Amino acid sequence: AQSVSQHNHHVILSEAASLELGCNYSYGGTVNLFWYVQYPGQHLQLLLKYFSGDPLVKGIKGFEAEFIKSKFSFNLRKPSVQWSDTAEYFCAVNAGGDSSYKLIFGSGTRLLVRP
Amino acid sequence: SQTIHQWPATLVQPVGSPLSLECTVEGTSNPNLYWYRQAAGRGLQLLFYSVGIGQISSEVPQNLSASRPQDRQFILSSKKLLLSDSGFYLCAWSATRLEAFFGQGTRLTVV
Repeated sequence: AQSVSQHNHHVILSEAASLELGCNYSYGGTVNLFWYVQYPGQHLQLLLKYFSGDPLVKGIKGFEAEFIKSKFSFNLRKPSVQWSDTAEYFCAVNAGGDSSYKLIFGSGTRLLVRP
Repeated sequence: SQTIHQWPATLVQPVGSPLSLECTVEGTSNPNLYWYRQAAGRGLQLLFYSVGIGQISSEVPQNLSASRPQDRQFILSSKKLLLSDSGFYLCAWSATRLEAFFGQGTRLTVV
């Protein structure tokens, strides 16, 4: 069965620091990959997505993610975080075949950015 | 544009009582529909998904059930709630293999 792992459960950074959140998935076939963000008190929003093509995808608010197929990874990055990036971040995978309708999420990473 | 409505926003129910959470989608047809439960530190757990009317797939054996009586309506139910059913429940919709869009969620507290 497909699964998604986010190894960093809590991350604390100072403003202007660089961010990288790890995401690994287990599925050998074609996948669609997503990063969602949940700001305090708000609903889940899509940050970025990868379907095919350029493995480096850019999303909203200066976030980007790189799909590395050989490593089954889709790490989220931002060169310089802001206090307003404080939120919980979720990686998600949609696999193909019989699982093509299922969107599986990781356990999330809580990011706290200190001013 | 598409919108998703989920209600109620909060619910407090006694142990052993029934449950019905409703979710409706507007502005699209034949969406894939999902129920998730979100728990702190555990992310979003997929409970049920549906690719069409009357078609329900269950991911986790539990005290809950789901139904899809109409194309854009998805209902999460229980006949008798347990304390362990407390949590934050999210409904979502997607077009096949595309990103999911979430409702505001329901905070369920079983007392």
